[in-house]
Amino acid sequence: NAGVMQNPRHLVRRRGQEARLRCSPMKGHSHVYWYRQLPEEGLKFMVYLQKENIIDESGMPKERFSAEFPKEGPSILRIQQVVRGDSAAYFCASSYATYEQYFGPGTRLTVT
Amino acid sequence: GQQLNQSPQSMFIQEGEDVSMNCTSSSIFNTWLWYKQDPGEGPVLLIALYKAGELTSNGRLTAQFGITRKDSFLNISASIPSDVGIYFCAGQEGGSEKLVFGKGTKLTVNP
Repeated sequence: NAGVMQNPRHLVRRRGQEARLRCSPMKGHSHVYWYRQLPEEGLKFMVYLQKENIIDESGMPKERFSAEFPKEGPSILRIQQVVRGDSAAYFCASSYATYEQYFGPGTRLTVT
Repeated sequence: GQQLNQSPQSMFIQEGEDVSMNCTSSSIFNTWLWYKQDPGEGPVLLIALYKAGELTSNGRLTAQFGITRKDSFLNISASIPSDVGIYFCAGQEGGSEKLVFGKGTKLTVNP
């Protein structure tokens, strides 16, 4: 499977717990983006990373949210102390340089 | 911030009909992209446009990048049942890698 991979596909967390979402970009892609989608809405940009660097985090909430793309391994979106409003679908996309972005299947986060 | 207005919000058509949807922006974009999303899945890239006035086809799909760089449309000809889904436009400003998405057009095709 040469596509963008995300896991888990579904994640249930209780309020106050931590959520970790993983994204493996397409082979050869070094640019990773995270987006959030609420029901009946379009996707909203959160953060753009290259290996070991955060390039643009203008869409990410200042508190509780963080993202990384280490030299080895997948990109991680981390949400600490989750609240009900964090329930959404989180999508990762990757690109080669600054060309078209290809999306993964998403992680559906439910906070109970 | 930038806003994309996508219309129509939903469409109900008969199989075999042609479909047209469009997006307008308050900002100038350097790139327009059209995606299709099925329930429970991620968006799938359909067409990418890079130049004002560009007209690009992908099978039964045709998309154009408006001359003003503030709009784009997508046409689907001879619709089939598997065209059902939500279609999103997305734009990219110069100097920024982030995509700004419209709210989507939900397409229903009746056999």
